[in-house]
Amino acid sequence: SQTIHQWPATLVQPVGSPLSLECTVEGTSNPNLYWYRQAAGRGLQLLFYSVGIGQISSEVPQNLSASRPQDRQFILSSKKLLLSDSGFYLCAYTLPSAFFTGELFFGEGSRLTVL
Amino acid sequence: QKEVEQDPGPLSVPEGAIVSLNCTYSNSAFQYFMWYRQYSRKGPELLMYTYSSGNKEDGRFTAQVDKSSKYISLFIRDSQPSDSATYLCAMKHTGGFKTIFGAGTRLFVKA
Repeated sequence: SQTIHQWPATLVQPVGSPLSLECTVEGTSNPNLYWYRQAAGRGLQLLFYSVGIGQISSEVPQNLSASRPQDRQFILSSKKLLLSDSGFYLCAYTLPSAFFTGELFFGEGSRLTVL
Repeated sequence: QKEVEQDPGPLSVPEGAIVSLNCTYSNSAFQYFMWYRQYSRKGPELLMYTYSSGNKEDGRFTAQVDKSSKYISLFIRDSQPSDSATYLCAMKHTGGFKTIFGAGTRLFVKA
């Protein structure tokens, strides 16, 4: 079976500081990986997705970037945080066979507060 | 108009009640339909998955898809306080990579 780990769970950062959120998946090779942001009362917003090492697609132009240095590792970064970057960030994966059928499995989330 | 509309609630019901959660959508190309349950401060977990139209039952949960009306439902029978959570509908069309989520409905089941 597969598991997904995401950390840190909670983060409080000053405006202008850097950010690094990390996600790893175990139990499968070549997963499709995703970063979502969830704002209160709103649906999940897809930020980035990756179908392989070094392959990153961005959905929303913003202050964030993503990288996939290893097959099962996905990192969300920012060089300088803005107040508007506050939110609940979720890493997710689909199995290689489920890229088009959409069965997403989520990590526990990282709550970011920018002050 | 949003692609997926979902009443945010909150919906409050007594224990043992039948709960009906619904979403409407505008894109007739959606073929894959999902319901996720999200507890407070946790990531969503996949609850039900349905392809195209019809019903799917899993224990106390039943998912229905009516593509002609562009309407999906999740029914929870014999609701329990542990069912208190936010329920997100999600859907996807064949050939696309993006799953579209509703805003979620908050459900409270009172003991």
